[in-house]
Amino acid sequence: GENVEQHPSTLSVQEGDSAVIKCTYSDSASNYFPWYKQELGKGPQLIIDIRSNVGEKKDQRIAVTLNKTAKHFSLHITETQPEDSAVYFCAARLSNAGGTSYGKLTFGQGTILTVHP
Amino acid sequence: EPEVTQTPSHQVTQMGQEVILRCVPISNHLYFYWYRQILGQKVEFLVSFYNNEISEKSEIFDDQFSVERPDGSNFTLKIRSTKLEDSAMYFCASSLRVKSGANVLTFGAGSRLTVL
Repeated sequence: GENVEQHPSTLSVQEGDSAVIKCTYSDSASNYFPWYKQELGKGPQLIIDIRSNVGEKKDQRIAVTLNKTAKHFSLHITETQPEDSAVYFCAARLSNAGGTSYGKLTFGQGTILTVHP
Repeated sequence: EPEVTQTPSHQVTQMGQEVILRCVPISNHLYFYWYRQILGQKVEFLVSFYNNEISEKSEIFDDQFSVERPDGSNFTLKIRSTKLEDSAMYFCASSLRVKSGANVLTFGAGSRLTVL
């Protein structure tokens, strides 16, 4: 099955700096890669996602890049703010190919991001 | 903004007891899921549910687990005879549709289960 590895496990930056979190996946059949942010006491919330037919996607201060050949994807947060402090999870989903695996996400270990004012 | 609601937020139970975790998915969503996260480990897929039946389950989801949609709004996860290793945060999620490119999962805040 799919395996997703995420690094680093913790990341500490100063406000205004950029933060980069990297993930690798094992199954080349994966075609959907969401990133979730989890704040204390809340469930994971989708912040950005990318599909395998796209190499990069941006949404304001957040961007995700995908390298299908190397099977890795990264989350980039620019101009970090203290409210960006949270646990970030990457995930991957296998293409359905006639099955029913659309909801089965394989998650990375999570990265605890701390943004210091 | 619509949200997925889970109850209870925390449940403590004795080993061997039955536990039911409840979820109210987003009202127009059709696909429902349970995930769990053991402390310090990855979030893991348990089961997906559509049209009143299980569409996929992981190897974790053995005979001790069951899911049900008893009415038009609730989605439940039952653990028949809890074990110590069932202690985890259980997340419910729902999505509108599974068509490729449109299946965004919305997660609830989780139910923490502690088995003593």
